[in-house]
Amino acid sequence: GEDVEQSLFLSVREGDSSVINCTYTDSSSTYLYWYKQEPGAGLQLLTYIFSNMDMKQDQRLTVLLNKKDKHLSLRIADTQTGDSAIYFCAESLDDKIIFGKGTRLHILP
Amino acid sequence: ETGVTQTPRHLVMGMTNKKSLKCEQHLGHNAMYWYKQSAKKPLELMFVYNFKEQTENNSVPSRFSPECPNSSHLFLHLHTLQPEDSALYLCASSPYGGRGRGTDTQYFGPGTRLTVL
Repeated sequence: GEDVEQSLFLSVREGDSSVINCTYTDSSSTYLYWYKQEPGAGLQLLTYIFSNMDMKQDQRLTVLLNKKDKHLSLRIADTQTGDSAIYFCAESLDDKIIFGKGTRLHILP
Repeated sequence: ETGVTQTPRHLVMGMTNKKSLKCEQHLGHNAMYWYKQSAKKPLELMFVYNFKEQTENNSVPSRFSPECPNSSHLFLHLHTLQPEDSALYLCASSPYGGRGRGTDTQYFGPGTRLTVL
């Protein structure tokens, strides 16, 4: 079946690292994505990783992929107030993208 | 700015009204999508258009009627909606479209917040 699971909430203190986790079900997924949605806005593509990679780093963002466990994580270093948003994990299947329900990241002062 | 624009950004309508949502992409993409995002459910794919042809209708009620006159424009015509149709309607586009092409990264517009009274 097609399912992407992620926890609904995460609270992190400003300056700390945030780690958002996701599990997916289909091992044939080609790409895995992280999208960010700020209040009142659409989804912004943050980063993606090809399924034959283990890690991808882009400035403060690090994506780790464990294909054996079908586990994807997004680490945000030095979390800032502007990182407060909902983060969606998604997997690609043929011509569809399956989204998780999103993790709401709350930044504590 | 993702290159995908949507108008209006907010819409309030009664159940007997007819209105349309508009999406335009300036990215030269070949595929366009309508999604519904509500508080209680994850993103729901509604319609997919590839090269102006509808390739997916995800069991959407007929009170939602899509139109894709060209690869850059997508409309969602609304009539006799129900209060449970209140949601954020997101448009997206992707470069390639088509089945069996592997993944195709989607770029989203800001959405239209629809409230049905």
